[in-house]
Amino acid sequence: DAGITQSPRHKVTETGTPVTLRCHQTENHRYMYWYRQDPGHGLRLIHYSYGVKDTDKGEVSDGYSVSRSKTEDFLLTLESATSSQTSVYFCAISGGSGYTFGSGTRLTVV
Amino acid sequence: ILNVEQSPQSLHVQEGDSTNFTCSFPSSNFYALHWYRWETAKSPEALFVMTLNGDEKKKGRISATLNTKEGYSYLYIKGSQPEDSATYLCAFSTTDSWGKFQFGAGTQVVVTP
Repeated sequence: DAGITQSPRHKVTETGTPVTLRCHQTENHRYMYWYRQDPGHGLRLIHYSYGVKDTDKGEVSDGYSVSRSKTEDFLLTLESATSSQTSVYFCAISGGSGYTFGSGTRLTVV
Repeated sequence: ILNVEQSPQSLHVQEGDSTNFTCSFPSSNFYALHWYRWETAKSPEALFVMTLNGDEKKKGRISATLNTKEGYSYLYIKGSQPEDSATYLCAFSTTDSWGKFQFGAGTQVVVTP
C-alpha cells in the first residue's frame, strides 16, 4: 500500500552463491536504503542511494553491492552468500515524515 | 556499536497503565529524531519526526518529547492497550549525514490484559 515492494519475501540459498534482492518504489523518491535486522543490533544500514547511479556504503557494507539504474529500483546483491548474512533485509524510502519500509525479505543462507 | 541507546530493552505493562521509555543519542550535530512502531511480522511504521529542542508530538495516546541539548527523547504511552504491544524504535541523523538514520535496538512493549 505504501508504494514500496520487496522481492522475494523469503529465500533460502546455499553458501557461496550470489543472491539479489529487489526493492521497487512507485513514489519517485530520490533516497533509497537497504538495512538488515538482527536480534540485538536493531536496523543496520548496508548501502543507500541518493539518485540513479549514486550509491554509498553504510556501516555493514562488506560482502554486499548495490545498483540503481532507475529511480524506482534499488538492487542489493550478496556476491557470495555466507551464513552470517542470514537476516531479514528491509528496503526503505525517505520522505518528509521519515522512512517508509518495505515488507522485508527473510534470507536464510545454509 | 550503537550510538543510539534505548532503554529498557523490554517492558511489560498492565492494560490501562501508562508507561514511558528512553532513546539516548549523541547531542552534537543533531538533525532529526524519529520514532517508529514495529509490530511482529510487519514493517516499521513512522510515528513521529522531531527536529527542534523541546519538540513535543502527540498521536492519540502516544506522545514524545525531545531534548537535543542533553541527547534524549522520551516516548509515552498513556492508558496502554493490548494493541500497543510492539517494538518501538528510535532513529537519529546528524547534520553532516542527514539522510542516513542510525537506529536503536528498540524497546519491546508487551501490554497484558
